[in-house]
Amino acid sequence: QSALTQPASVSGSPGQSLTISCTGTSSDIGGYDYVSWYQQHPGKAPKLMIYNVSNRPSGVSNRFSGSKSGNTASLTISGLQAEDEADYYCNSYTRSNTWVFGGGTKLTV
Amino acid sequence: EVQVVESGGGVVQPGGSLRLSCAASGFTFKSNAMSWVRQAPGKGLEWVSFFPGSGYDPNYADSVKGRFTISRDNSKNTLYLQMNNLRAEDTAVYYCAKHYSGNWCFDYWGQGTLVTVSS
Repeated sequence: QSALTQPASVSGSPGQSLTISCTGTSSDIGGYDYVSWYQQHPGKAPKLMIYNVSNRPSGVSNRFSGSKSGNTASLTISGLQAEDEADYYCNSYTRSNTWVFGGGTKLTV
Repeated sequence: EVQVVESGGGVVQPGGSLRLSCAASGFTFKSNAMSWVRQAPGKGLEWVSFFPGSGYDPNYADSVKGRFTISRDNSKNTLYLQMNNLRAEDTAVYYCAKHYSGNWCFDYWGQGTLVTVSS
């Protein structure tokens, strides 16, 4: 199972909005609405930010939103804040009853 | 409060074995799916293995299939990962992750336990 494709890095200024893409195949992202996104600060465990493409768990800021079109999912962060600086990983359930992560995107604010 | 706490990591020689444990609390463990996810130093996340909340139909990443075995003891609220024939490329922080009930994602993660495979 190949990893999902994410940009290695993105950057933005405080207050701006930006989008991180995540591209897979019809066997994962394109086949299921089971895309999730995780935020990971250095030395910390990942934190669930978005699940089932566009749902936010309780406690996650509404500045984070998710979407999907075909085999590509996207995470949008609006009103960038310094605390958003972290690594972001997408994840999808797959046809093989496994899970696959993206390679990760380092966000610099 | 939901908690998952990993233990059992350490240094092991190539070809050796190690068993990781994940102690869970704060939720109904026996009915909740669980997974192991690992992260090599400076690298991204890699899903390793899954155990469903009911029944017995575990699954594994191709990279560990035939070498790793996932199991659980619901009486002890504990998940395990038996790792055999370890290779240098298995060196990573191993995270235990609780599946979000009814959803195919991971909502609670432990702090991880480091496994180093080196001679």
